Amino acid sequence: AQKVTQAQTEISVVEKEDVTLDCVYETRDTTYYLFWYKQPPSGELVFLIRRNSFDEQNEISGRYSWNFQKSTSSFNFTITASQVVDSAVYFCALSDLTGANNLFFGTGTRLTVIP
Amino acid sequence: GAVVSQHPSRVICKSGTSVKIECRSLDFQATTMFWYRQFPKKSLMLMATSNEGSKATYEQGVEKDKFLINHASLTLSTLTVTSAHPEDSSFYICSAREGGKDNEQFFGPGTRLTVL
Repeated sequence: AQKVTQAQTEISVVEKEDVTLDCVYETRDTTYYLFWYKQPPSGELVFLIRRNSFDEQNEISGRYSWNFQKSTSSFNFTITASQVVDSAVYFCALSDLTGANNLFFGTGTRLTVIP
Repeated sequence: GAVVSQHPSRVICKSGTSVKIECRSLDFQATTMFWYRQFPKKSLMLMATSNEGSKATYEQGVEKDKFLINHASLTLSTLTVTSAHPEDSSFYICSAREGGKDNEQFFGPGTRLTVL
């Protein structure tokens, strides 16, 4: 069965600090996708990244970077030089490709960036 | 990019009434649509998956007669909360996918339902 664990419920950082959001997943599938979404207070889900299980290369996009470690089943997300606009709930998610490709979401990490 | 809309964005209704939420894919054909529910400060839980022209597949614990899902066209799916009660108050989010499983889901902005 698929499971996504985000152990950090809430994190607060001061503006310009770096912050890493942890995500650990479980799946029996050999082929799957991992995602990160941002949910600001307005509620809509903002897609950040999708990573195929075969691609373990780390990715950087501006102040965002992702570290995919298949050996530890982790897909961590780092925000560098955090800004107040980064304050949101961040969800890690997993989808399998052998089933209906449903998305399984973690419980989310609420990030507060203090000015 | 692909856009999914939901209507209404917010609805308040009295207990016992039915509420219909629409989910539309604006610039692509959504062969599959998903409905999620999110309680305050909680994660998104998949309620059901619907394929155009077929009956929806509900997740365990989701009442089919309570949450009626219709996916009558490739651009529209509706979720009707029948005889709504205060415990149905939640944030409902749809997503839509074009084509096969390898394709991405695009999320709507969500509908906040409050049942008095």
